[in-house]
Amino acid sequence: EMQLLESGGGLVRPGGSLRLSCAAFGATFSNYAMTWVRQAPGKGLEWVSGISAGGGSTNYAGSVKGRFTISRDNSKNTLYLQMTSLRAEDTALYYCAKGGLPTADSALDAWGQGTTVTVSS
Amino acid sequence: DIQMTQSPSSVSASVGDRVTITCRASQDISRWLAWYQQKPGEAPKLLIYSASSMISWVPSRFSGSGSGTFFTLTINNLQPEDFATYYCQQATSFPLAFGGGTKVEIK
Repeated sequence: EMQLLESGGGLVRPGGSLRLSCAAFGATFSNYAMTWVRQAPGKGLEWVSGISAGGGSTNYAGSVKGRFTISRDNSKNTLYLQMTSLRAEDTALYYCAKGGLPTADSALDAWGQGTTVTVSS
Repeated sequence: DIQMTQSPSSVSASVGDRVTITCRASQDISRWLAWYQQKPGEAPKLLIYSASSMISWVPSRFSGSGSGTFFTLTINNLQPEDFATYYCQQATSFPLAFGGGTKVEIK
């Protein structure tokens, strides 16, 4: 069973940048697609971005397209989310999650505990 | 983009009750639907995938059904540990989308 540990969250000013990381343990990371999901305070879940097992296919929510970049390093068992041009509405708890398939269009069967991003001046 | 609509947004129920949550997709997603449970302060957990396939840890009082655009999650004999928020998610077309969530509260 894969364990996931996010890091890199923090307080950033509007317009700023941040890179989130998600370290994976306990399963073959390179076999599975990975996804970022966020949850604004008191709100529901929002799918942010997904990447295929090999990293060759990426997808984004319209709200972050052009500002966020998902990537992975299978040699380091790590997923990343580079966030730029951050806005107040990006404030959320960011979860990384493992897909059940090599492609990112799958149910998410393992989740980290999340890392908090706060965008405020 | 496919929109997912859950109802109700909240439900009050007692231990032992049956609760049914519905999820509608704005277009046909076949059976590519998942259900998650989230308790306060915790990450979501996958309950059901492919509309009706249960994850191993999930008690048999949970069941999922549906296909196309209409899906249901049913909890029979509600237990104290089932009070949580439940989300559906379509897993067929990017951007993947979650429903707005259904909070199951204690009556």
